[in-house]
Amino acid sequence: AQTVTQSQPEMSVQEAETVTLSCTYDTSESDYYLFWYKQPPSRQMILVIRQEAYKQQNATENRFSVNFQKAAKSFSLKISDSQLGDAAMYFCAYRPSSYSGGGADGLTFGKGTHLIIQP
Amino acid sequence: NAGVTQTPKFHILKTGQSMTLQCAQDMNHGYLSWYRQDPGMGLRRIHYSVAAGITDKGEVPDGYNVSRSNTEDFPLRLESAAPSQTSVYFCAALTGNYGYTFGSGTRLTVV
Repeated sequence: AQTVTQSQPEMSVQEAETVTLSCTYDTSESDYYLFWYKQPPSRQMILVIRQEAYKQQNATENRFSVNFQKAAKSFSLKISDSQLGDAAMYFCAYRPSSYSGGGADGLTFGKGTHLIIQP
Repeated sequence: NAGVTQTPKFHILKTGQSMTLQCAQDMNHGYLSWYRQDPGMGLRRIHYSVAAGITDKGEVPDGYNVSRSNTEDFPLRLESAAPSQTSVYFCAALTGNYGYTFGSGTRLTVV
């Protein structure tokens, strides 16, 4: 079974600084997707960024970028120029790429990292 | 997110009572799933459905039932609620390679 580990229950960063959230995962699959979701106090789950395992290039979305290390099974999220609105829970998630009919499309989540932005 | 609508947003239930959490999607996606979120646990999948008439168990299905009579709706039923089912529940639609689109969640308290 796949597992996703977020080793930082809480992180704090000064506004305008850069912060990196860690995520490691365990899988025997060679093709899969990785995601970072943001959950602000409103509770809504918001997709921040996604990465296909077959792509070597790290995904980037504005101030958000990832460092994907497939061999190390590591998928960290970097937030540049942190803003107060970035304060939230961040969840790393994994999904196999192929649908097998056996529930393979389910997302496996880490336990989350609570990000605090200090003004 | 407008694509997946959950009702109610909040509810308090007494132990032993039954309740149905509603999930409706307007994106014509086949794959829908229910997750529960508990503090320090992330989200865990309860049940899922790949199409109308087809449902299957996720990782934590005990105490929950689902049905899928059409593409749009995927209700989650608690037949006899227990305090351990106090949680935040999310319905989510699989949107191709872009992961899931989540509803806004239902916070359920069982007393």
